Amino acid sequence: AQSVTQPDIHITVSEGASLELRCNYSYGATPYLFWYVQSPGQGLQLLLKYFSGDTLVQGIKGFEAEFKRSQSSFNLRKPSVHWSDAAEYFCAVGALGYSTLTFGKGTMLLVSP
Amino acid sequence: DAGITQSPRYKITETGRQVTLMCHQTWSHSYMFWYRQDLGHGLRLIYYSAAADITDKGEVPDGYVVSRSKTENFPLTLESATRSQTSVYFCASSDNRGRSMNTEAFFGQGTRLTVV
Repeated sequence: AQSVTQPDIHITVSEGASLELRCNYSYGATPYLFWYVQSPGQGLQLLLKYFSGDTLVQGIKGFEAEFKRSQSSFNLRKPSVHWSDAAEYFCAVGALGYSTLTFGKGTMLLVSP
Repeated sequence: DAGITQSPRYKITETGRQVTLMCHQTWSHSYMFWYRQDLGHGLRLIYYSAAADITDKGEVPDGYVVSRSKTENFPLTLESATRSQTSVYFCASSDNRGRSMNTEAFFGQGTRLTVV
């Protein structure tokens, strides 16, 4: 069975500082990996996805993520955080032949002035 | 409007009552999903559907019923609501065409359900 771990429940970052949100997955074959963002009272919006190819993927809003097979990780990064990035972030994993995604429990990002 | 819409956005119901949450998508996506979101649990899959008249259980299906008579609609029914079903419910759809690729899911705005 697939599983996703987001070790950090909350993270606080100063505006303008860099950000890294951690995601570890468990799956035997090549996973499909996603990062979603949820603003308060809203649904989930896709930030980026990885299926194959280049292990560094670019997403919307200046986010990027790197797939590291050896570490079973897909960490999300942003070089300079803006106050509008404050939200909850979810990592998700899918796979070839699977119809559904498995989500992590989320990381709440707080941005301090 | 194009996209995926859920109704109602907010609902308060009493224990034991039946309540139906609606989900409608305009993309003709084959797959549709219902998730619930609770603090400390993230998103958990309740039910999903691969096509009209095809549904399957997810991680937490007990107490819920779904149907899908048309591709664009996927209602979720709580037959006898309990307080433990107080949650935020998200509907999603995906253009997952067979087993070639697991594409991303597109989410509705959510329905906040309170059972008193």
